[in-house]
Amino acid sequence: DQQVKQNSPSLSVQEGRISILNCDYTNSMFDYFLWYKKYPAEGPTFLISISSIKDKNEDGRFTVFLNKSAKHLSLHIVPSQPGDSAVYFCAAIFQGAQKLVFGQGTRLTINP
Amino acid sequence: NAGVTQTPKFQVLKTGQSMTLQCAQDMNHEYMSWYRQDPGMGLRLIHYSVGAGITDQGEVPNGYNVSRSTTEDFPLRLLSAAPSQTSVYFCASSYQRGAYNEQFFGPGTRLTVL
Repeated sequence: DQQVKQNSPSLSVQEGRISILNCDYTNSMFDYFLWYKKYPAEGPTFLISISSIKDKNEDGRFTVFLNKSAKHLSLHIVPSQPGDSAVYFCAAIFQGAQKLVFGQGTRLTINP
Repeated sequence: NAGVTQTPKFQVLKTGQSMTLQCAQDMNHEYMSWYRQDPGMGLRLIHYSVGAGITDQGEVPNGYNVSRSTTEDFPLRLLSAAPSQTSVYFCASSYQRGAYNEQFFGPGTRLTVL
């Protein structure tokens, strides 16, 4: 059973516009959420995270929103740039555990 | 710093063969982990370690063994390879707070089991 779901396998956005990547989770025991970015033939790199006690975290062009009641988080990228084209994974951690659970990933393509 | 290194980058095995995927980090990180990435499945945790001498199972540990004799190294062993283990394998490490902290990933090993 997929506990962290990214229901959009791909997303295409025009350069300069906002990219919104979505992630849903099923387990209310998750208390920390992270986004990782992955380029082809490379390992994932950390992008941004959010604790379950917050509903928003910003870092430059990247903002993550958390809606605990809906068990939903989203990553906003504004403005989108060609270098943002990559696969984005959301991930969640069980309270007190050291195990990261990843979603399936969303391939973001930024068009010039 | 070299960060997290993985060897080999590519490997082809026959069913039943054994091999060890190597992972090393030079950042003095306590937490290390192994993931496999499969199409449509994201990354799934195989095993992890919170320090030398301590290992634990992740989401998909069957068919894999690990050990952590030093802080730097965290090898992943396939005792008897199966086609279902065809995947891309990533090793990762982080400093404090384990998975709660940013993990640094290696470049991956692409394994094919025939």
